[in-house]
Amino acid sequence: NAGVTQTPKFRVLKTGQSMTLLCAQDMNHEYMYWYRQDPGMGLRLIHYSVGEGTTAKGEVPDGYNVSRLKKQNFLLGLESAAPSQTSVYFCASSYPGSTDTQYFGPGTRLTVL
Amino acid sequence: RKEVEQDPGPFNVPEGATVAFNCTYSNSASQSFFWYRQDCRKEPKLLMSVYSSGNEDGRFTAQLNRASQYISLLIRDSKLSDSATYLCVVNRGGGYNKLIFGAGTRLAVHP
Repeated sequence: NAGVTQTPKFRVLKTGQSMTLLCAQDMNHEYMYWYRQDPGMGLRLIHYSVGEGTTAKGEVPDGYNVSRLKKQNFLLGLESAAPSQTSVYFCASSYPGSTDTQYFGPGTRLTVL
Repeated sequence: RKEVEQDPGPFNVPEGATVAFNCTYSNSASQSFFWYRQDCRKEPKLLMSVYSSGNEDGRFTAQLNRASQYISLLIRDSKLSDSATYLCVVNRGGGYNKLIFGAGTRLAVHP
C-alpha cells in the first residue's frame, strides 16, 4: 500500500515551458486535491476533484489545469510556466465526509527560471 | 485576516520541556479540526484530530474551544524528534472536505 505518490520529485523549467505533475493513490479515495506551499504561507488549494471525470477550482487556480480520467490519478498541468509558479506542490486524497482528513503525497519541488 | 492563524514561532525549547501551541479560526461553521506535523521539506502528516472533549495521544494533548474558536496543542516531555512545524488545520466542510491550513508553528527542541 503506497498511499499517495507523486512524480516527479523535482523539476526545473524555463519560463514558458509546460509540464504535467502526476499524482496517484491506491486507497480508493473519492476526493483528490492539488495544493501549493510557499514560504510563510499555509497550503493553498489549486484544484480539486470529487470523483472520476470531475474537477473544480480551488483558491489559486490561475495558470493551472487538471484532469481526473481515472479514480486513482489526478494530473496537474502548467501550460506556460511562470516564475511565480515556483513552489512545492502537494497532492492529497481523502474519503468524503467532513470528519475525514486528507493524506498527502511527498511533494514536487518546482523551480521556474 | 487569515482564516486560521498561528504564532509562527520558532519555539526553541530544551529536551523535556512542555510547550503549547495555539491557533484561532474565524469561520464559526468549521466542522472538524486537526493538527498536522510537517518535517523540513516533507509532506504534512496527520498528528491528531481535535475534539471538543479534548483528546490525548501519549505526550500530546489537543483541545478545542468552539465558543472562542480556539484550538491548542500541548506537548509534554519534548524530544529532539519533536522538532518540526505544526500546522493547525480546520475542515470547513462544504461538499468537498475543504481544509484550511494555518501557516504553521515551528518547534526546535535542543539537547
